[in-house]
Amino acid sequence: DAGITQSPRHKVTETGTPVTLRCHQTENHRYMYWYRQDPGHGLRLIHYSYGVKDTDKGEVSDGYSVSRSKTEDFLLTLESATSSQTSVYFCAISEATRIDYTFGSGTRLTVV
Amino acid sequence: GIQVEQSPPDLILQEGANSTLRCNFSDSVNNLQWFHQNPWGQLINLFYIPSGTKQNGRLSATTVATERYSLLYISSSQTTDSGVYFCAVPTSGTYKYIFGTGTRLKVLA
Repeated sequence: DAGITQSPRHKVTETGTPVTLRCHQTENHRYMYWYRQDPGHGLRLIHYSYGVKDTDKGEVSDGYSVSRSKTEDFLLTLESATSSQTSVYFCAISEATRIDYTFGSGTRLTVV
Repeated sequence: GIQVEQSPPDLILQEGANSTLRCNFSDSVNNLQWFHQNPWGQLINLFYIPSGTKQNGRLSATTVATERYSLLYISSSQTTDSGVYFCAVPTSGTYKYIFGTGTRLKVLA
């Protein structure tokens, strides 16, 4: 989606390895979010950020960490990937005064 | 925490038909969003609708916050309307949105 880019788009990794997903925005929005999407669960919030170096946990944060060292980048790290973390990961951004989200195109992660 | 339920879970329509999708939530909210996920996985924001009614072309949405539900209306459906429709509401006092499990819509030509 214009203004928000996720990388990589697809990744296959082995159990136990660390993995970092990147979300990059050019909209200068304050809020950034990481969601995972699994069949039967809809989208579930992992972590979100309300400013540089300001982050908070979501519904399913165990096994994940995040960092936001500058406004435009929000990184999601799986510290030691497990098969249960196989999923599609979406990043979203929003402005404080306009709460509507814009989503990235997603990253499909497979842990084997 | 707040619970979000959507109905029906699946819906099949003939092109040109109208439909209503429902979103119920368990606690009072001060805003709500509707999203469409197309068959290629892209999520698009349809409406930000904390209360009242909004319209955008063939789509409209109504939220009755006091009764804890929102409705999404699709009129004269087209095959491009196929996909999954999600509603999302924030947990109290935060920007953490909780999503429903969605309504999967298939429109047949």
